Amino acid sequence: EAGVVQSPRYKIIEKKQPVAFWCNPISGHNTLYWYRQNLGQGPELLIRYENEEAVDDSQLPKDRFSAERLKGVDSTLKIQPAELGDSAVYLCASSLTSNYGYTFGSGTRLTVV
Amino acid sequence: AQSVTQLGSHVSVSEGALVLLRCNYSSSVPPYLFWYVQYPNQGLQLLLKYTTGATLVKGINGFEAEFKKSETSFHLTKPSAHMSDAAEYFCAVSDPGGSNYKLTFGKGTLLTVNP
Repeated sequence: EAGVVQSPRYKIIEKKQPVAFWCNPISGHNTLYWYRQNLGQGPELLIRYENEEAVDDSQLPKDRFSAERLKGVDSTLKIQPAELGDSAVYLCASSLTSNYGYTFGSGTRLTVV
Repeated sequence: AQSVTQLGSHVSVSEGALVLLRCNYSSSVPPYLFWYVQYPNQGLQLLLKYTTGATLVKGINGFEAEFKKSETSFHLTKPSAHMSDAAEYFCAVSDPGGSNYKLTFGKGTLLTVNP
């Protein structure tokens, strides 16, 4: 079984530029999460999807961040424009709705210069 | 609001020695508890979890953790450290039941294993 796939693995951009991250969850997993992990910190939830519906986006900085999960499968997280403080690892995870064991992807390491 | 405290941002042990990584939580109700491991440049891998039932939980790679409600703790242990155990370990909690699957993570503990 393929795990949670994220791309790209690494991204370096200049501040004020846009950037997008892509996530393909495990097949059949209805719940998808985006987490941000700052250096030396634990991950923090940005947004949670149940199928195509964003059911918890309270931690998503909506002025510059957006996300979508069309057809309830793949998801894209976008930042526009990026700021220096957005440098972090962006982790995608998925789970069955009745299963508390998340499966995380390898993450996208974003560096904003 | 829930919170997780991991005592010691860095723990160093010798190969073959006991590993003890500490985790305390703050929650209004007994939460669900998790330990994850993160190897360099990789995502998080679930080691073990406690939801209900037996308070001593066994996980992968020889790790185990015990939920102690009176101490609000969920410390992770392994009797004998191996070089391959060197990684960062995260304790996390979530609300029991309901539809809120949000995980709140601690800041992590970096484990180094010396030969």
